[in-house]
Amino acid sequence: NAGVTQTPKFQVLKTGQSMTLQCAQDMNQNSMYWYRQDPGMGLRLIYYSASEGTTDKGEVPNGYNVSRLNKREFSLRLESAAPSQTSVYFCASSVSNEQFFGPGTRLTVL
Amino acid sequence: GENVEQHPSTLSVQEGDSAVIKCTYSDSASNYFPWYKQELGKRPQLIIDIRSNVGEKKDQRIAVTLNKTAKHFSLHITETQPEDSAVYFCAPHFNDYKLSFGAGTTVTVRA
Repeated sequence: NAGVTQTPKFQVLKTGQSMTLQCAQDMNQNSMYWYRQDPGMGLRLIYYSASEGTTDKGEVPNGYNVSRLNKREFSLRLESAAPSQTSVYFCASSVSNEQFFGPGTRLTVL
Repeated sequence: GENVEQHPSTLSVQEGDSAVIKCTYSDSASNYFPWYKQELGKRPQLIIDIRSNVGEKKDQRIAVTLNKTAKHFSLHITETQPEDSAVYFCAPHFNDYKLSFGAGTTVTVRA
């Protein structure tokens, strides 16, 4: 029972490149989330998915797209990376209001 | 969305002393009040939570107190130890889809 897993753990991109961050949960939960974490700013919600087939924008969705592939998987895509997207990205799922986070992806955009 | 503020932003305490972090929020509908701990380089993890029908909850050296009237809740850590050094976040909410985290409080426990 791994909880929430994410890949990759680290990534370096050049401005304008694209990439997809992968997330999977084995807790059989409907809700999944993508956050970014920047120094001094806590965790900010990018997108969330209340159930398979549905996604909604969070606080900072610009520059990102998501796909809820099935109940287990929720991916985050950067179509054209910008230096402002340098951050640590966390995927999460919730169980009875508690957020369970993945290990995070440290992304640097040069 | 919920307006969440945490104070202080940094806190340095002597080992064995107590630490208190306060979280204020704006949405009076909030009914779930968690605290998360994030150690350096790790993911955030829930350490304690409280629901709106309870005023205080304790778990060994940590406790959370809630004042719904004033719209704030606090994390209390007693007999602090070096392993309590971390960043702590509050995330009060009513709806799982309108989740807002505080900016975090960095706690340093001095030996």
